[in-house]
Amino acid sequence: DAGVIQSPRHEVTEMGQEVTLRCKPISGHDYLFWYRQTMMRGLELLIYFNNNVPIDDSGMPEDRFSAKMPNASFSTLKIQPSEPRDSAVYFCASSLKVRGTEAFFGQGTRLTVV
Amino acid sequence: KQEVTQIPAALSVPEGENLVLNCSFTDSAIYNLQWFRQDPGKGLTSLLLIQSSQREQTSGRLNASLDKSSGRSTLYIAASQPGDSATYLCAVKGGSARQLTFGSGTQLTVLP
Repeated sequence: DAGVIQSPRHEVTEMGQEVTLRCKPISGHDYLFWYRQTMMRGLELLIYFNNNVPIDDSGMPEDRFSAKMPNASFSTLKIQPSEPRDSAVYFCASSLKVRGTEAFFGQGTRLTVV
Repeated sequence: KQEVTQIPAALSVPEGENLVLNCSFTDSAIYNLQWFRQDPGKGLTSLLLIQSSQREQTSGRLNASLDKSSGRSTLYIAASQPGDSATYLCAVKGGSARQLTFGSGTQLTVLP
């Protein structure tokens, strides 16, 4: 398996524009997580899914953020409208259903909102 | 709410030295603890996973220990090399949640 795949790797956009980040989890993994990493706050969980269903979105900062998982092999994180303070690295991760299993991370999407 | 702390925040050592990175967590009801490595501008690479029932895990020059009752884990790196320079992150999975809670990391520099 190629691991968790995220796209794009880098995104530069203007304030107010819509941004969509994409993630393909490892095949067979039941859990998918979206994290955000900033210098100030480190790695923070935004939302996670179990079998394509959002379980906990308490980490989503504002209504401008939304995430979907239409099927087991694809998820999106959308920001609309984007703001400069959304600039960060966004990571997607996946893991198996069993509690004690390892989480695998994608390479991340570096988002810059100017 | 689980909180994870890593000390020190930064560490610089000469090549060949053995070193220990520390991680502590506030809620001992964890499923597992995972150590990651992150190179500048890169993603997270999983180094070691310790289940809650285990005391330690080893991979090459790396050894991670877990003392769940005291809420502590250490990552031991033997015979450090310049290529080990990176940020090391500790993360725990536990409670009713399936997600990882991360520490803020230790930035390691190994000087040639």
